[in-house]
Amino acid sequence: GQQVMQIPQYQHVQEGEDFTTYCNSSTTLSNIQWYKQRPGGHPVFLIQLVKSGEVKKQKRLTFQFGEAKKNSSLHITATQTTDVGTYFCAGKHPTDSWGKFQFGAGTQVVVTP
Amino acid sequence: DTGVSQDPRHKITKRGQNVTFRCDPISEHNRLYWYRQTLGQGPEFLTYFQNEAQLEKSRLLSDRFSAERPKGSFSTLEIQRTEQGDSAMYLCASSPRTYTRHTNQETQYFGPGTRLLVL
Repeated sequence: GQQVMQIPQYQHVQEGEDFTTYCNSSTTLSNIQWYKQRPGGHPVFLIQLVKSGEVKKQKRLTFQFGEAKKNSSLHITATQTTDVGTYFCAGKHPTDSWGKFQFGAGTQVVVTP
Repeated sequence: DTGVSQDPRHKITKRGQNVTFRCDPISEHNRLYWYRQTLGQGPEFLTYFQNEAQLEKSRLLSDRFSAERPKGSFSTLEIQRTEQGDSAMYLCASSPRTYTRHTNQETQYFGPGTRLLVL
């Protein structure tokens, strides 16, 4: 079936370092969203990517959608303790109905001061 | 607070009992979603409403699960004859009708969730 996979599952980062988390789909996506869930919290929308090769930045966060629209990445520079949480990608396949997104299992980020 | 609200926040029940959860979306949001999330996993799509119409229901959802949104505003999710495997966080989300600079009609605003424990 259509699946959205995220790697790594866990990311242990020293404060100030950069890291990247990846999202891969077995099939082409129409668009992809990224969410952040703090420990004990609920997912909060970060960004949506729609176009092939699209790159969007939010301060220290850079989101990229692959040329084939099968993968996406989130790169965080100069990690801060406020970046702690689980980052989910959610992909929408062209054959899925409007509004139906498939979430990956997430990358849990732990930041060491 | 104009965010998505869910009630109750926590529910403990015995196996075989029925439970009902409520979700109040952000005012004027016409799309509403229900998800289930277990530890270490992402939200799993259950069902989706546009106004009062239930447009899609996951095949993973058994007949014991039913959702309604009778007036196109709040929604309820009922689980009948609960099983221990139903223990999870049940999340509700809503989406707006219109675009803004940073969000669009597919942006999902999640509520705090209802944590269900079936003993």
